[in-house]
Amino acid sequence: EVQLLESGGGLVQPGGSLRLSCVASGFTFSNYAMSWVRQAPGKGLEWVSALTGSGGTAYYADSVKGRFTISRDTSKTTLSLQMNSLRAEDTAVYYCAKGAHYFPYYFDYWGPGTLVTVSS
Amino acid sequence: QSALTQPASVSGSPGQSITISCTGTSSDVGGYNYVSWYQQYPGKAPKLMIFEVTNRPSGVPDRFSGSKSGNTASLTISGLQVEDEADYYCSSYGTTSPWVFGGGTKVAVL
Repeated sequence: EVQLLESGGGLVQPGGSLRLSCVASGFTFSNYAMSWVRQAPGKGLEWVSALTGSGGTAYYADSVKGRFTISRDTSKTTLSLQMNSLRAEDTAVYYCAKGAHYFPYYFDYWGPGTLVTVSS
Repeated sequence: QSALTQPASVSGSPGQSITISCTGTSSDVGGYNYVSWYQQYPGKAPKLMIFEVTNRPSGVPDRFSGSKSGNTASLTISGLQVEDEADYYCSSYGTTSPWVFGGGTKVAVL
């Protein structure tokens, strides 16, 4: 059974940093792309970042490019998102999502999410 | 403003059929057969319902179906049930932004 569990969310001041983690199980982690998708309170889904299988290529939404860094540790089957220079508009539930293939054309499993609140 | 356009809400009575549209451009919906649909209940994670325009993952009821014509994709729920009341999001792979979502459609079962 595929399981994804995010952690690391919390309250942070504008300009601060936070690191999110997603522990994966139930599949061969290195074979599949992984992604982060966020949802601001009361709003829709917004793709944030993706990493192809084996961590080959990283992709970022324009809204986070240069501030966020996605990475994966295959030995720990963990996906991470380092978030720097956080802004109020980054406040959202952040979901870890598994790509259905080596390249993430779509996302077949999602974690329950972790809430990030950026506020002074 | 979302990259893909969906109606804010759609409603129907139990047993009826409803269709949710998802309009993009030739750079995403119209250019690739990588349209997917997700169901989301309040406070819960999204769930994949349709992938690659028309395919259903194992376990998704066959009353859910997907299609595409030009730059517009559609999700049809036939034989609407009370448990289908949720938010639905379309998504597409594209060249402008690799992955784009629609703004979401709230389905109400009257």
